[in-house]
Amino acid sequence: AQSVTQPDIHITVSEGASLELRCNYSYGATPYLFWYVQSPGQGLQLLLKYFSGDTLVQGIKGFEAEFKRSQSSFNLRKPSVHWSDAAEYFCAVVPGGYQKVTFGTGTKLQVIP
Amino acid sequence: SAVISQKPSRDICQRGTSLTIQCQVDSQVTMMFWYRQQPGQSLTLIATANQGSEATYESGFVIDKFPISRPNLTFSTLTVSNMSPEDSSIYLCSVQGAGGTEAFFGQGTRLTVV
Repeated sequence: AQSVTQPDIHITVSEGASLELRCNYSYGATPYLFWYVQSPGQGLQLLLKYFSGDTLVQGIKGFEAEFKRSQSSFNLRKPSVHWSDAAEYFCAVVPGGYQKVTFGTGTKLQVIP
Repeated sequence: SAVISQKPSRDICQRGTSLTIQCQVDSQVTMMFWYRQQPGQSLTLIATANQGSEATYESGFVIDKFPISRPNLTFSTLTVSNMSPEDSSIYLCSVQGAGGTEAFFGQGTRLTVV
């Protein structure tokens, strides 16, 4: 069965520091890959997505993610974190069009001054 | 992208009662999805709602507890029936974009059962 693993439940970074959130998936073929962000009391907002092609994808709010087929990973990065980035981040996988979305367990990001 | 409006945004309900959550999309969509997010947890799919047919429920969720309506291509409701404190969660409505790939979400309904 397909699965998505986010090994870090909680991460704390200083404002201005770089960030990397890890995501690994288990699936036979390369699925569609996504990162979502959920601010407190809010729904989920799509940060970026990977379907095919260039393995480094740019998203909103200065985020990027790199797809590495050999590692079955799709890690999210940001070079300089802002206090407003404090939120929960979910990696998600869709095996193909109009199929069920599987979410990782989420990583809660805390940003300290 | 799709704009999804969910009502109510939050509610506090007595155990044993029912709450109906509404989801309105600004465009016609084939499938709508209902998720539950328990406190501190990830999203779990409750059911997929297609217009004109019965909803398809995931393992662990039943129609008697979570009846769903889908009267047209832009609207759906989820009812949480005979609520208990264990039903306290965020309930999210979702649709898939063109090509059925990325999911778009409403703001969610934060339900507290007392």
